[in-house]
Amino acid sequence: GESVGLHLPTLSVQEGDNSIINCAYSNSASDYFIWYKQESGKGPQFIIDIRSNMDKRQGQRVTVLLNKTVKHLSLQIAATQPGDSAVYFCAEITYNTDKLIFGTGTRLQVFP
Amino acid sequence: NAGVTQTPKFQVLKTGQSMTLQCAQDMNHEYMSWYRQDPGMGLRLIHYSVGAGITDQGEVPNGYNVSRSTTEDFPLRLLSAAPSQTSVYFCASSHTVGRSGVTEAFFGQGTRLTVV
Repeated sequence: GESVGLHLPTLSVQEGDNSIINCAYSNSASDYFIWYKQESGKGPQFIIDIRSNMDKRQGQRVTVLLNKTVKHLSLQIAATQPGDSAVYFCAEITYNTDKLIFGTGTRLQVFP
Repeated sequence: NAGVTQTPKFQVLKTGQSMTLQCAQDMNHEYMSWYRQDPGMGLRLIHYSVGAGITDQGEVPNGYNVSRSTTEDFPLRLLSAAPSQTSVYFCASSHTVGRSGVTEAFFGQGTRLTVV
């Protein structure tokens, strides 16, 4: 069936370095993608989104890249900070299904 | 501004018991949904609703019922709890997801359910 998955379950980076979290999706009809951050014991929190007619979108310290040719999504975090430590999920929506489907998540660990 | 409120935060049930997880939002969002999150895994969609009076099944609907009688509330019912339903449950809401455009989904803090 349709699914959204992640390449790396755990990513460890040093404070100040850039982080790249990857996500592969299998549904070529996906219209909209969202990255969420989930800290321990909390619900997911919106980070950034991108529509399928875009290749790149930037926010504050975060950039999302979308490569529709290979069905790949990435989240780049610049100058990673200890507060960035969390589990990151990509999620996708296909407009004709109204379903927001999540991937399995990547844990980001930031070391001093 | 309360956002999305889930109750209870914690619950222990015996196998076969029934209960309702409550979810309320005060943002006048049309779209609401329920997810479950098992340890070390992502969120799986149980049921969702695009507006009052409309509900639909997600990825893992079996064993759960929902209703949407008002815009604000979207309760999730477990009719006969099973150990396999031990999980953390999240409710989310957003302005319309899908044909009319999308916005970010806001999540509640979760309900941790244990079925023994």
